[in-house]
Amino acid sequence: AQSVTQPDIHITVSEGASLELRCNYSYGATPYLFWYVQSPGQGLQLLLKYFSGDTLVQGIKGFEAEFKRSQSSFNLRKPSVHWSDAAEYFCAVASYNTNAGKSTFGDGTTLTVKP
Amino acid sequence: ETGVTQSPTHLIKTRGQQVTLRCSSQSGHNTVSWYQQALGQGPQFIFQYYREEENGRGNFPPRFSGLQFPNYSSELNVNALELDDSALYLCASSLEARVDSPLHFGNGTRLTVT
Repeated sequence: AQSVTQPDIHITVSEGASLELRCNYSYGATPYLFWYVQSPGQGLQLLLKYFSGDTLVQGIKGFEAEFKRSQSSFNLRKPSVHWSDAAEYFCAVASYNTNAGKSTFGDGTTLTVKP
Repeated sequence: ETGVTQSPTHLIKTRGQQVTLRCSSQSGHNTVSWYQQALGQGPQFIFQYYREEENGRGNFPPRFSGLQFPNYSSELNVNALELDDSALYLCASSLEARVDSPLHFGNGTRLTVT
C-alpha cells in the first residue's frame, strides 16, 4: 500500500527566507507525486507534479520540488517566501494504474510566515 | 469556465441522521472524486465516479454512497451519521480518470455531527 509522510506538522519562516517542506513516500512501483496547497476555507490547488524525466520540477507561484528515488523523497522548495504563501501544504502519491483522483495524501504541513 | 462548486458550504446534523452533499464538476470533466478531510489530517479518498459508474472506493463503510449524473455532477450520501463523520468533505473533478489528468477541487462542505 502506498503512504506519504510529511514529518513537519508546522513550519515558521520569515518573509524572504527560503523554504523546504519535506515529503517521504512509500510505494513499490513508479510513484506519481504531487504537491497541493490549501488556504483556509478553500479547496486544494495543484502546485506541481512529478511523473518522470527531470527530477527537479517547477511549479506555480515560484515553487519547485526534487524527486530523489534513493531517499523516497519529494521535497518542496521556494527560494524566497512571501506572506501570501502562508497555507497548508499537502504531498500526495498516485500510481499509473490508479489515477490522480485516487491519490494518497500526507497529513500536511502548516506554513506560517513571519513579517 | 465554471470551476468545481460544492453545496452546501456548511451544515450541522445530529447523530443517526442522513446527509446529502452535492458537487458540480468543472465543465467537460467526466470524473469526480470525493474526499474526507478530518481536522488536522490530509484528505482521505472515499470513492470516485467516472462516466456515471463507481470507479474505485477507499476504506469507507457502505453507509457512504454516491451517485454521478449524466451531466457529471455528483452526490455523496452518508447514512446513520456518527460523530466521527464530522469533517470537511471535498470533491475534485478531472477531465479523465487518468494519473496525468489534474484534479480541480471545490472549496468543500464542512459537516458537523452533534
